Amino acid sequence: AQSVTQLDSHVSVSEGTPVLLRCNYSSSYSPSLFWYVQHPNKGLQLLLKYTSAATLVKGINGFEAEFKKSETSFHLTKPSAHMSDAAEYFCVALGSGGSNYKLTFGKGTLLTVNP
Amino acid sequence: DGGITQSPKYLFRKEGQNVTLSCEQNLNHDAMYWYRQDPGQGLRLIYYSQIVNDFQKGDIAEGYSVSREKKESFPLTVTSAQKNPTAFYLCASSVGTAGETQYFGPGTRLLVL
Repeated sequence: AQSVTQLDSHVSVSEGTPVLLRCNYSSSYSPSLFWYVQHPNKGLQLLLKYTSAATLVKGINGFEAEFKKSETSFHLTKPSAHMSDAAEYFCVALGSGGSNYKLTFGKGTLLTVNP
Repeated sequence: DGGITQSPKYLFRKEGQNVTLSCEQNLNHDAMYWYRQDPGQGLRLIYYSQIVNDFQKGDIAEGYSVSREKKESFPLTVTSAQKNPTAFYLCASSVGTAGETQYFGPGTRLLVL
């Protein structure tokens, strides 16, 4: 069975400092992995996705994530946080084979950005 | 302007009442999905549809029903059998279901009076 673990439920940073949101996955294969962002009372917006091409994936708004198979990790980073980055972030894995439609969500990490 | 729209933004349900949430997409996507989001949890799949006139149950289908009469529309009915309907409901679509990226609508918050 596939699972996604977001290691921090809440991360707080100061504006202009780096952001690190941690995600580990458990799977018997190399899954497709995504990061989505959700602002309050809004839908989910796709930040970036990994699909077994380059292991370092660049997304929108200056975010990037690195797929590390040896560590089964897909951490999200940004060099310098902006106030507008405050939101909830979800790490998501996509199934394969007969369940290749099925998204497995982490429980989310709430990012707070302090002025 | 392409995208996924959900209406209404907020919906109130009385005891014993069925309510229907709307989801429309103009992306020409074949597949559509309904998810439920509860505080502090990720999203859970209610139903999905790979093609018109066909749909399958997800992980938490009990107390919900759907229809897919048109490619662009996938309404969700929350029936009186769903005893804990208060949640944020998100609709998504993708080109197909073969490992495609899913794109989400803005959501509907359902509250019980």
